[in-house]
Amino acid sequence: GAVVSQHPSWVICKSGTSVKIECRSLDFQATTMFWYRQFPKQSLMLMATSNEGSKATYEQGVEKDKFLINHASLTLSTLTVTSAHPEDSSFYICSAKEAREAYEQYFGPGTRLTVT
Amino acid sequence: GNSVTQMEGPVTLSEEAFLTINCTYTATGYPSLFWYVQYPGEGLQLLLKATKADDKGSNKGFEATYRKETTSFHLEKGSVQVSDSAVYFCALRYSGGGADGLTFGKGTHLIIQP
Repeated sequence: GAVVSQHPSWVICKSGTSVKIECRSLDFQATTMFWYRQFPKQSLMLMATSNEGSKATYEQGVEKDKFLINHASLTLSTLTVTSAHPEDSSFYICSAKEAREAYEQYFGPGTRLTVT
Repeated sequence: GNSVTQMEGPVTLSEEAFLTINCTYTATGYPSLFWYVQYPGEGLQLLLKATKADDKGSNKGFEATYRKETTSFHLEKGSVQVSDSAVYFCALRYSGGGADGLTFGKGTHLIIQP
């Protein structure tokens, strides 16, 4: 089946610094990638949708200048958390979708971010 | 807005027991409904889906029927196995800012004991 990887799987950074999370589709071309955020014992919340070669579409309440999303190729999307604060600590999950797929998104294993 | 409510876990059952995980939703229009499963250390995987009212999704012995009148999509399995232990998420797809964005429930941790 289609595989999506994320790197790193966990990261610790200091307040005020920026951290980049990568999401890769390993064996298919992802025309659309999604970024979700999950708090402990909470559901996944969609942060943004990115289409290859175009600007990401952010959900209401998500700061686009804080969560920078780049989808420069059909196999790679990155999420950069800028000027991180402890409240940004969370589990970030990406998913990817092929153009021909009507419904299925393939999910990465997630990245645990801790901001100290 | 759109939302999904599913039963809180953990749910602990013995092997071969009957499983029901309740899921209800609130949405405008006619969403598509999904169940995803997350095994330890892995990403979410699509388990089954239903795209219109009265559709039944099924996979690996699991079933769920899209009930528009009760806005529900309960997950059932007749005889669970230890290998079914995982976290199960109910979700709906809406046409929001992201055309294929999913709205998830909080997840139900299922534990099957031998």
